[in-house]
Amino acid sequence: ETGVTQTPRHLVMGMTNKKSLKCEQHLGHNAMYWYKQSAKKPLELMFVYSLEERVENNSVPSRFSPECPNSSHLFLHLHTLQPEDSALYLCASSQELAGGINEQFFGPGTRLTVL
Amino acid sequence: QKEVEQDPGPLSVPEGAIVSLNCTYSNSAFQYFMWYRQYSRKGPELLMYTYSSGNKEDGRFTAQVDKSSKYISLFIRDSQPSDSATYLCAMSGRGGYQKVTFGTGTKLQVIP
Repeated sequence: ETGVTQTPRHLVMGMTNKKSLKCEQHLGHNAMYWYKQSAKKPLELMFVYSLEERVENNSVPSRFSPECPNSSHLFLHLHTLQPEDSALYLCASSQELAGGINEQFFGPGTRLTVL
Repeated sequence: QKEVEQDPGPLSVPEGAIVSLNCTYSNSAFQYFMWYRQYSRKGPELLMYTYSSGNKEDGRFTAQVDKSSKYISLFIRDSQPSDSATYLCAMSGRGGYQKVTFGTGTKLQVIP
């Protein structure tokens, strides 16, 4: 495996289900991100982990719960979602450099549909 | 006012045309200006970036930044069907951890 991988690629869940999205980066980076991508809207940053510590949480509802057990893996635990949470969920990683560009490498995303 | 504004398109052009994609922004602290390309069923990937003002050229692609107008552009010369994708502008500050702010993306279709 190379780059950033995400599983599953597609997920359909009911509003009462609990599921998890998984992300793995094979680039040796020290930061990982969850984004939500909806049609005609900018990428919405949800969570940032730097050196396995959460450094940003952009007012995301508690029905989304991130977990970063190590620098290569990131999870997004989902429960009691709403239909408006249907979107493409993208994971990204980057190597933070003091003063340098924050180039982020993205996975292919998980297409989530909430019924 | 949104920090970054980008017309979502779609934009449809014939093969060989010159394509111009643009974004405006409101945050004067932005120093890095990036263009990501996202093919269907893929994640975005960095195409090119500039630091501060000026132009940068890479093959058929040219990125321009006008900080006085808070306006950035991506030009694609001799467009090809393989350029069909969504192009997202993105911007960040400099120093330490910097959040990257993305535009909505412009969907481009190059027709053979």
